[in-house]
Amino acid sequence: AQTVTQSQPEMSVQEAETVTLSCTYDTSESDYYLFWYKQPPSRQMILVIRQEAYKQQNATENRFSVNFQKAAKSFSLKISDSQLGDAAMYFCAYRRTQGAQKLVFGQGTRLTINP
Amino acid sequence: EAQVTQNPRYLITVTGKKLTVTCSQNMNHEYMSWYRQDPGLGLRQIYYSMNVEVTDKGDVPEGYKVSRKEKRNFPLILESPSPNQTSLYFCASSLFPSVSYNEQFFGPGTRLTVL
Repeated sequence: AQTVTQSQPEMSVQEAETVTLSCTYDTSESDYYLFWYKQPPSRQMILVIRQEAYKQQNATENRFSVNFQKAAKSFSLKISDSQLGDAAMYFCAYRRTQGAQKLVFGQGTRLTINP
Repeated sequence: EAQVTQNPRYLITVTGKKLTVTCSQNMNHEYMSWYRQDPGLGLRQIYYSMNVEVTDKGDVPEGYKVSRKEKRNFPLILESPSPNQTSLYFCASSLFPSVSYNEQFFGPGTRLTVL
């Protein structure tokens, strides 16, 4: 079975600085998707960024980028120029490419932004 | 507006009193799923459905039932709730099957407390 591990329950960063959230996963599949979701205090699940395993290029979305290391099964999220609105719980998630669409989530990392 | 709706958003109940949490989507999605979110555990899948009248267990199905009589609706039923079912519940939907990526859309969440 696939598993996703986020080893940092909490992180904090100064506003305007850069922070990196870690995620590792385990799978025997060669093709899959990886995601970072943001959950602000409103509890809404917001998709931040997606990476397709067959693509070597790291995904970026504005201030958010990932470092995808397929061999190491590592998928970290870098947030540049942190803003107060980035404060949230962040979840790393995995999904197989084919078949059922189950998302396997990590435990979450709570990110605090210090003004 | 394309969305997944859940009702109620908050519910406090007592042990053993049957309850239903409704989920509805207006995007004509085949795939629907229920997750529960608990501190330190992330989100875990309870049940899923790949189309009308097709449902299957996820990772934590004990104590829950679902039905899929219509494509748009996927209610979660707790026949005899217990305190260990106190959690935050999310419904999600997406297109299925798919040959390419389809985003999974989440509802706003239902906070359930069982006393």
